[in-house]
Amino acid sequence: DVKVTQSSRYLVKRTGEKVFLECVQDMDHENMFWYRQDPGLGLRLIYFSYDVKMKEKGDIPEGYSVSREKKERFSLILESASTNQTSMYLCASSSPGQLYYGYTFGSGTRLTVV
Amino acid sequence: QKEVEQNSGPLSVPEGAIASLNCTYSDRVSQSFFWYRQYSGKSPELIMSIYSNGDKEDGRFTAQLNKASQYVSLLIRDSQPSDSATYLCAVNLRDDKIIFGKGTRLHILP
Repeated sequence: DVKVTQSSRYLVKRTGEKVFLECVQDMDHENMFWYRQDPGLGLRLIYFSYDVKMKEKGDIPEGYSVSREKKERFSLILESASTNQTSMYLCASSSPGQLYYGYTFGSGTRLTVV
Repeated sequence: QKEVEQNSGPLSVPEGAIASLNCTYSDRVSQSFFWYRQYSGKSPELIMSIYSNGDKEDGRFTAQLNKASQYVSLLIRDSQPSDSATYLCAVNLRDDKIIFGKGTRLHILP
């Protein structure tokens, strides 16, 4: 069964910590995305990548960075976690030219920053 | 700013009735349209995609697209309690990106 796997389902971190959220897909997809989802605000795009070593800012990149060293793995980094980064984080992937299939999402990481 | 608009709900529908969910989008050049279902605490799951004007049916679900009116809808026939979820409308942009509406909460009343 093809899937997008996020390393942690729940995570609690302290303010100021550096936080790594990992996402791995086994569908050989070129495109990968990181979103956060908050009540009333919907899904907001943080960063995306269309290829290895490539990254582009989404709508809310401040306070985040990403890394894509391998095609199957896309990491989201919170350089210095703050309480306003408490959220549900969702990774997604897709294949270029096959947008008919939409995005496939991981199961999400609920991050709490205390 | 390209947008996808949905009524946030909640939309309450009796079990066995038809649930009708609506969505409008602002980008006239959008080509692909999607409906995702998201249960509370879970990630979105694609249930329908549609490219062409008209209706597309899959089981109890029918997606309807009207590009001239920039309008997409989802009909759920014979609604079941398991259909209670948030439904996200999504629309593609030109660069392989999809933008999502904020979702409509659907509650099926037993």
